[in-house]
Amino acid sequence: GENVEQHPSTLSVQEGDSAVIKCTYSDSASNYFPWYKQELGKGPQLIIDIRSNVGEKKDQRIAVTLNKTAKHFSLHITETQPEDSAVYFCAASMNTGFQKLVFGTGTRLLVSP
Amino acid sequence: DAGVIQSPRHEVTEMGQEVTLRCKPISGHDYLFWYRQTMMRGLELLIYFNNNVPIDDSGMPEDRFSAKMPNASFSTLKIQPSEPRDSAVYFCASSYGGGNTEAFFGQGTRLTVV
Repeated sequence: GENVEQHPSTLSVQEGDSAVIKCTYSDSASNYFPWYKQELGKGPQLIIDIRSNVGEKKDQRIAVTLNKTAKHFSLHITETQPEDSAVYFCAASMNTGFQKLVFGTGTRLLVSP
Repeated sequence: DAGVIQSPRHEVTEMGQEVTLRCKPISGHDYLFWYRQTMMRGLELLIYFNNNVPIDDSGMPEDRFSAKMPNASFSTLKIQPSEPRDSAVYFCASSYGGGNTEAFFGQGTRLTVV
């Protein structure tokens, strides 16, 4: 089955810096790659996603890149703010039969003022 | 819509007791997922339903765990008997279209088994 690895497990940056979180996946059939943000005491919430027919997608300060050949994808947050502090999860899903979303282990991002 | 609603938010129970977690998905969603989150193992998919039918329960850790979805607006996850290692946060999520569309998560149930 699919296996998703995520790095780093923790990331500390100063407000205004950029943050990058990287993920790799194992199954070349995967074609949907969402990123979720989890704030303390809440469930994960989708912040951006990318599909295998696109190499990059941007939404304001957040961007995701995908390299299907290398089987890795990354989340980029620019001009970080304290409210970006949270746990971020990458995930991958196959579009074969009944789809199943497999999550990475999470990255705890701390943005210091 | 109020989103995915889970109850209770917190549950403390003694080892050996039966625990039932409840979930109300977003109206119109055809997929429902149960996840378990721990520090050691992260977010694990336990089971998911499509149109109220269980599709994949390979993530259910043991026979002590069972899940049902009697109708489109309600699902339960039951642990009987509960053990201390079951302590975790359990999330329910729903989506329209399966694993390659946005999943909406509830706020979770924090289970503590003592």
